[in-house]
Amino acid sequence: GQQLNQSPQSMFIQEGEDVSMNCTSSSIFNTWLWYKQDPGEGPVLLIALYKAGELTSNGRLTAQFGITRKDSFLNISASIPSDVGIYFCAGLNYGGSQGNLIFGKGTKLSVKP
Amino acid sequence: DTAVSQTPKYLVTQMGNDKSIKCEQNLGHDTMYWYKQDSKKFLKIMFSYNNKELIINETVPNRFSPKSPDKAHLNLHINSLELGDSAVYFCASSQRSQLYGYTFGSGTRLTVV
Repeated sequence: GQQLNQSPQSMFIQEGEDVSMNCTSSSIFNTWLWYKQDPGEGPVLLIALYKAGELTSNGRLTAQFGITRKDSFLNISASIPSDVGIYFCAGLNYGGSQGNLIFGKGTKLSVKP
Repeated sequence: DTAVSQTPKYLVTQMGNDKSIKCEQNLGHDTMYWYKQDSKKFLKIMFSYNNKELIINETVPNRFSPKSPDKAHLNLHINSLELGDSAVYFCASSQRSQLYGYTFGSGTRLTVV
């Protein structure tokens, strides 16, 4: 089946630093999404991207939908301690009567105050 | 007001037992899902239901059976539990016409001993 390659697997950064993570796929997706998961909670949607080349921001977060529709990146600027968590990319395609959301393996972010 | 609620939050049970996890959403969404997150945090879809119809059924053992009494509920029943079933199970919902809107519950941590 389709797989998403997400990197890096983990990051240890100092508070105030910028963060960048990305996701690639061997096949095209119609929609790219970025989720964050806090410990003991479910994933929460951060940003959704619908068009190739689209660049979208949500506060300190910026994400882009790659031109080829096979990749996406997420940047976090000026990281703060509450940014700690696992970030997942997810791709969505329309198949049959309903889409199927496929997740990357996650990037675990640790922020040192 | 919790949008997607799962019960129980934690479930510890012995091998061979049968157990159920309940999920309810109050978002008016027409599609619900079950995802499994393994120890490496990989999220994989198990089932989805749209208008009481099973429309995606990944290669999960037939010991797992989703049951949807109405479009606001999707319960997961597991027979003859095995050690390898230990994981966190997430329920999610979305509106078919807005495929990006997957809202996740906070998860059920299942431990089989």
